[in-house]
Amino acid sequence: RKEVEQDPGPFNVPEGATVAFNCTYSNSASQSFFWYRQDCRKEPKLLMSVYSSGNEDGRFTAQLNRASQYISLLIRDSKLSDSATYLCVATRGGKLIFGQGTELSVKP
Amino acid sequence: DGGITQSPKYLFRKEGQNVTLSCEQNLNHDAMYWYRQDPGQGLRLIYYSQIVNDFQKGDIAEGYSVSREKKESFPLTVTSAQKNPTAFYLCASSTASQDEKLFFGSGTQLSVL
Repeated sequence: RKEVEQDPGPFNVPEGATVAFNCTYSNSASQSFFWYRQDCRKEPKLLMSVYSSGNEDGRFTAQLNRASQYISLLIRDSKLSDSATYLCVATRGGKLIFGQGTELSVKP
Repeated sequence: DGGITQSPKYLFRKEGQNVTLSCEQNLNHDAMYWYRQDPGQGLRLIYYSQIVNDFQKGDIAEGYSVSREKKESFPLTVTSAQKNPTAFYLCASSTASQDEKLFFGSGTQLSVL
């Protein structure tokens, strides 16, 4: 079992749709969590940190459930420019462990 | 502008050859990392270093070596012992604080001739 697992993709959605990505982590000692966005053959870029109380940044909402070891990312009102791969990340002993990524394709 | 520079962007390796990927940062970050990404997969940690002159193996260190002689530089050597080196290699750095946001270089695509 992978230490950080994400929904298999790809997700194909129309513009304006709401889409949710799910992620689970197996190491209960993980302390920090992030969502990164990666465009094709580019470097990942930090999208947002994930806090226990949940946090929102414009159209993006991240949630953390430590009891279930579950992280989510909700994107509202999808734009064409949201098309990318979204990577879930958990920390373990000073290292960042990445999920395999979920590909999102937003269509006109 | 501060950032991380990886070079070269594309690299080709012949059988039995060692090749070195460069990573330089001017962000004054203490921690540096090397990740490997295969198509359709997430990033896997090769090596990381939290201070100068010290580094630790990640999850897939076999066939790779690193050095950290300067804070700014963390080169990765892909040795001939790495039998499947074709991948996208990403270098990253962070402040090594608890909130460990990573800043990435633009990557090196390594292919075998």
